[in-house]
Amino acid sequence: QVQLVQSGAEVEKPGASVKVSCQASGYTFTGYYIHWVRQAPGHGLEWMGWINPNSGDTNYAQKFQGRVTMTRDTSITTAYMELSRLRSDDTAVYYCARGPKAVSGVVWAYNWFDPWGQGTLVTVSS
Amino acid sequence: QSVLTQPPSASGTPGQRVTISCSGSSSNIGSNYVYWYQQVPGTAPKVLIYRNNERPSGVPDRFSGSKSGTSASLAISGLRSEDEADYYCAAWDDSLSGYVFGTGTEVTVL
Repeated sequence: QVQLVQSGAEVEKPGASVKVSCQASGYTFTGYYIHWVRQAPGHGLEWMGWINPNSGDTNYAQKFQGRVTMTRDTSITTAYMELSRLRSDDTAVYYCARGPKAVSGVVWAYNWFDPWGQGTLVTVSS
Repeated sequence: QSVLTQPPSASGTPGQRVTISCSGSSSNIGSNYVYWYQQVPGTAPKVLIYRNNERPSGVPDRFSGSKSGTSASLAISGLRSEDEADYYCAAWDDSLSGYVFGTGTEVTVL
């Protein structure tokens, strides 16, 4: 079955960087986009951006541009999300989720996130 | 900084019908599909409704979605204890060129 398995919890100091991994199985990794979404404690969901695992193309939400980098390693069917210059308000659970097929002309409004990884808690504390 | 507005909570007794609203604008709900996600506390969200009113396989027909103008609704009929969860609406926003989520609604079964 389609599955996304994420790396374990991280604790980082303010100003540091964190890199979260998301390993895909049960489907052709390069055939579907991967999104990243985060959820601060007691708060709602916030979309961070996507990566096309086939081409490596990325699109980041404006709020995170300059601080987030999404990459992938197709040899191990794994996507990564690195967030730099961490602040206390970056403390959150970070999720990866599968998006639409990685074909040209994707209409983003027509697509949703399914399935999701189990989430990775990133705590930013001095 | 959620763009879509939902009531913080909703509740009902087993068997009742509960409705959750989601209010947006012309750049998101007004011009694009709405999606609904269910998140049981401590677990990852899962899609409940896609493209306004479609249910993925495995989602009971007790769940239904609708959209009118810049607002959308999720209805849960025949409420069951396992429906206790947080529910989020979502849509693509043309102005932001990104996905936006609702503030979330906690559903309690009394």
